[in-house]
Amino acid sequence: QKEVEQNSGPLSVPEGAIASLNCTYSDRGSQSFFWYRQYSGKSPELIMSIYSNGDKEDGRFTAQLNKASQYVSLLIRDSQPSDSATYLCAGYSGGGADGLTFGKGTHLIIQP
Amino acid sequence: DTAVSQTPKYLVTQMGNDKSIKCEQNLGHDTMYWYKQDSKKFLKIMFSYNNKELIINETVPNRFSPKSPDKAHLNLHINSLELGDSAVYFCASRAGSGNQPQHFGDGTRLSIL
Repeated sequence: QKEVEQNSGPLSVPEGAIASLNCTYSDRGSQSFFWYRQYSGKSPELIMSIYSNGDKEDGRFTAQLNKASQYVSLLIRDSQPSDSATYLCAGYSGGGADGLTFGKGTHLIIQP
Repeated sequence: DTAVSQTPKYLVTQMGNDKSIKCEQNLGHDTMYWYKQDSKKFLKIMFSYNNKELIINETVPNRFSPKSPDKAHLNLHINSLELGDSAVYFCASRAGSGNQPQHFGDGTRLSIL
């Protein structure tokens, strides 16, 4: 059974600091991973996609993938109160015909 | 201009009723999905459709039936609603095949009385 694990939090980070969110997955066949941000009462919003080992940066966000360790992370630099949300890690297996397998999400709180 | 749109946004109904949720995407995507997000916020795949063919059918009750009249639409029909069906249902779509990300609609909050 494919699983994606995340610490549910809450993770509390001071404004301006780096927030580090982590995710592990069980299916070694998983090839691509995504981070979604979900505000309360809203739909998941794509933040980052990552497909190969290493780092991928987009503005204040950096996604990291380590397929050998089956580990995905998201770093948020210069954290802002508006970054407070639940962050969902998700992955595809195989050719991606299946839906995404989501973790249960990490609730991030940025303290002003 | 909404890319993935769902109707209705809220649905309150009684146990035992039959209801439908509609989804439309104007992104030209090939695959559409239905997800259920329960009270603990866990998001789980229910169905996906590619070119009007059902690709996967997770272990959901057969009271749930997806219907796709064309590539841009994937509706969800639910028979004999039960209390446990209360959740937020999200429609999503994806371009092409392989590893493209999915884009989500705003969700339909279903409450069973």
